[in-house]
Amino acid sequence: ILNVEQSPQSLHVQEGDSTNFTCSFPSSNFYALHWYRWETAKSPEALFVMTLNGDEKKKGRISATLNTKEGYSYLYIKGSQPEDSATYLCGETGANNLFFGTGTRLTVIP
Amino acid sequence: KAGVTQTPRYLIKTRGQQVTLSCSPISGHRSVSWYQQTPGQGLQFLFEYFSETQRNKGNFPGRFSGRQFSNSRSEMNVSTLELGDSALYLCASATLVAGGPYNEQFFGPGTRLTVL
Repeated sequence: ILNVEQSPQSLHVQEGDSTNFTCSFPSSNFYALHWYRWETAKSPEALFVMTLNGDEKKKGRISATLNTKEGYSYLYIKGSQPEDSATYLCGETGANNLFFGTGTRLTVIP
Repeated sequence: KAGVTQTPRYLIKTRGQQVTLSCSPISGHRSVSWYQQTPGQGLQFLFEYFSETQRNKGNFPGRFSGRQFSNSRSEMNVSTLELGDSALYLCASATLVAGGPYNEQFFGPGTRLTVL
């Protein structure tokens, strides 16, 4: 069973601040690393799916990096906005299952 | 393109009963996965179906079962409900390149199950 861990569990930042979260995962049998944003009362939405060591992906103000050898991924948000408030989930696909961490709950204070 | 739909959205059952949840994937998606979320837990993988076959299964007791129909719609069944089964159940559909569900998952709105 894979053990995906995310830190911090929750985070409060001021509007305009940049922030980052960490996802650590077992690096054996790695297939892909997923990041999802889950806003309250909505469904989780995919941000990135990364497969290659050294991958860097960007979507607007949000970017992510991947290190499969040491088993971690970082998600960065530049210039946080109130609409970025959500839970950010990461998940690893190992042996054909997708295991998620417990998420980082981000609150952006206007 | 219509998104993933789940029915019902809310459900209240009592211990010992059984329940069936339904999921209709995005048109063209043949992989459907089910997840359970309880307070303090991340999304726990239940199982994944592809072309009417269960390909992968998480670490849940046999009371949790599912199936997939030829139109890719999927149902999840929980028998002999326990209080601890109260949770949000999400299904997600995905396209498939090869092997496992490592393509982007498209989630439905979930079914909130309360067991009294």
